[in-house]
This record gives sequence, structure tokens and C-alpha cells, in this order.
Amino acid sequence: EVVMTQSPATLSVSPGERATLSCRASQSVFSNLAWYQQKPGQPPRLLIYGASTRATGIPARFSGSGSGTEFTLTITSLQSEDFAVYYCQQYNDWPPYTFGQGTKLEIK
Amino acid sequence: QVQLVESGGGVVQPGRSLRLSCAASGFTFSFSSYAMHWVRQAPGKGLEWVVVISNDGTNKYYADSVKGRFTLSRDNSKNTLDLQMNSLRLDDTAMYYCAREYSYGPKIFDSWGQGTLVTVSS
Repeated sequence: EVVMTQSPATLSVSPGERATLSCRASQSVFSNLAWYQQKPGQPPRLLIYGASTRATGIPARFSGSGSGTEFTLTITSLQSEDFAVYYCQQYNDWPPYTFGQGTKLEIK
Repeated sequence: QVQLVESGGGVVQPGRSLRLSCAASGFTFSFSSYAMHWVRQAPGKGLEWVVVISNDGTNKYYADSVKGRFTLSRDNSKNTLDLQMNSLRLDDTAMYYCAREYSYGPKIFDSWGQGTLVTVSS
């Protein structure tokens, strides 16, 4: 099973600033990596797939990078609606499909 | 627009059974073009993938934590998904989401339902 590890667990950033979230896989998942955003009381929403491709309707301030075992989600010019929990998920080696434990992005 | 509507959640005692359903509508392609998943989230915790069923229903894969206890089926004529959960345990308590995966693209969950809450408690 591929273990996904996200860091940090909590990230405090001011609105308008940049946030950088990390995700590490226990073995290579190539570019088969997705990012999801989840706000309280809501289901997850797909942000990024293929490590760097934005899903439909996702603003350009969200970008993904990386391949193999190291991945990054960057959010530039943070808006109030961006404060949420973010999960990475690998879909290279399944089952199971595995998620990271999440990074909570909070307002500084 | 795409809608995935889960139902069937509730409070159940350990060892009992529950059946969850997911009704799909608004898909651009037919329901039978999508694999379907259940993903759960225990209160205050992260996401855990539970099970997937292929677009035609012939292949199913389960997380080890539910294997032998949960059974997933689908009815492509009705655009529905059913998750039979038997021998429920306290640690099955979670919000259960159904999610779709387009079978001819990357294995990503591009739409999710609002979830149905399952509470296993004595």
C-alpha cells in the first residue's frame, strides 16, 4: 500500500500571501496524484490531477507540481474562501486508493 | 448539473446491518461510463477510500477494513449504487460519500455527493 504523508499538518498564512503544501508518497506514483479541497460540512472538491492539471473551474492561483514521490500544491494570493483542508491522493497503485492525512490551511 | 445523492445513513448497533444508496443524475456521459466509489470520513478525521465498482459492475475492490463485510452493487438502468454494510463495527462510524470516476480517463474522483452519516453505537 502506498502511504501518503502531508506536511505540515496545519499551515497559517495571511490572506493575499502564498501557501505551499507538501505531499510525499512512500513509493513512486509517477504523476498519478490528485489534490482535493474540503471545507467544513462539505464534500471534497477535486482541484488538481495528474500532479499539475487544474480541474474544471479551478482558479489559476492553484497550481500543482512534482512527480515520483514529492509533490507540492501552491496557492498564490490566498483568498478567504481558500482556507480549508487539503488532501493529496495517489491513484497509481490501487487498490487501495490512498489519501494523505490532510493539511489544514488556516488564516494567520 | 451532476448530482450524487446518498441516502440510508443512520444510527445502528454494532453487529447490525445498514444499506446505503447513491442516486446519480446529470452526467454528461451515461452512468455506465463511470466507475463509482465510496469514500468515508470518520468524525474529525481524514478521508478513507472504501470500495470501487467498475462501470459495468463486473469488478469490485474493497479496502481491507471492510472486505467480507461490505458489498457494493450498481444498477445502470436506474443510475443507482447500493452499499450493503454488514457486521458493522464502532470504527465504521463515518460520513460516507459516493464519488464518480470517469472510466476512460485518469482515476480521479471528479464529483462527490454530500454524504450520508453512519453512526455505529450501542
